[in-house]
Amino acid sequence: DQQVKQNSPSLSVQEGRISILNCDYTNSMFDYFLWYKKYPAEGPTFLISISSIKDKNEDGRFTVFLNKSAKHLSLHIVPSQPGDSAVYFCAATSGGSNYKLTFGKGTLLTVNP
Amino acid sequence: NAGVTQTPKFRILKIGQSMTLQCAQDMNHNYMYWYRQDPGMGLKLIYYSVGAGITDKGEVPNGYNVSRSTTEDFPLRLELAAPSQTSVYFCASGEQGGVDTQYFGPGTRLTVL
Repeated sequence: DQQVKQNSPSLSVQEGRISILNCDYTNSMFDYFLWYKKYPAEGPTFLISISSIKDKNEDGRFTVFLNKSAKHLSLHIVPSQPGDSAVYFCAATSGGSNYKLTFGKGTLLTVNP
Repeated sequence: NAGVTQTPKFRILKIGQSMTLQCAQDMNHNYMYWYRQDPGMGLKLIYYSVGAGITDKGEVPNGYNVSRSTTEDFPLRLELAAPSQTSVYFCASGEQGGVDTQYFGPGTRLTVL
């Protein structure tokens, strides 16, 4: 049973436009959510996170939105750049879990010049 | 700092062989994790450790063993390799209380034939 779902395997956008990556979760115990970025042949790198007490967190071109009632979060990248092309993983954890992460399957973002 | 290092980068095993995947970190992190990523899937937690001498099972521990004799090292042992263990293995480390600071190694690509 997938507790973190990324239903779009891939997304293609034009450079300069907005990229929106979506993530849904089912476990109501999750209270912290993260986005990781992964290039081929490399390990994932942390991008941005959000606590369940917030509904928005912004870091430069990256913004994460959390809708707890819908158990949905999204990552917005504005403006998108070709270097953003990578696989993006949504992950979730809960305070009592020793920071163990539950990952979604990932979304491959391609930003076209 | 080298961060999180993993060896080897690639390995091919025959069914029934055993091997140890090495992981080391130089950031003095208490928390360490082993994940596997199958094609088209998210990362799944195999084992984790909250400090030297303390380990616990994750979501998919069968067929693996770990030990944590030092803060720096967290080797993953595969006994009696099976084709189902063909995957990319990622080691990660993190600070206590800092889920945002989970750093991943570059991964080991293992094929069992």
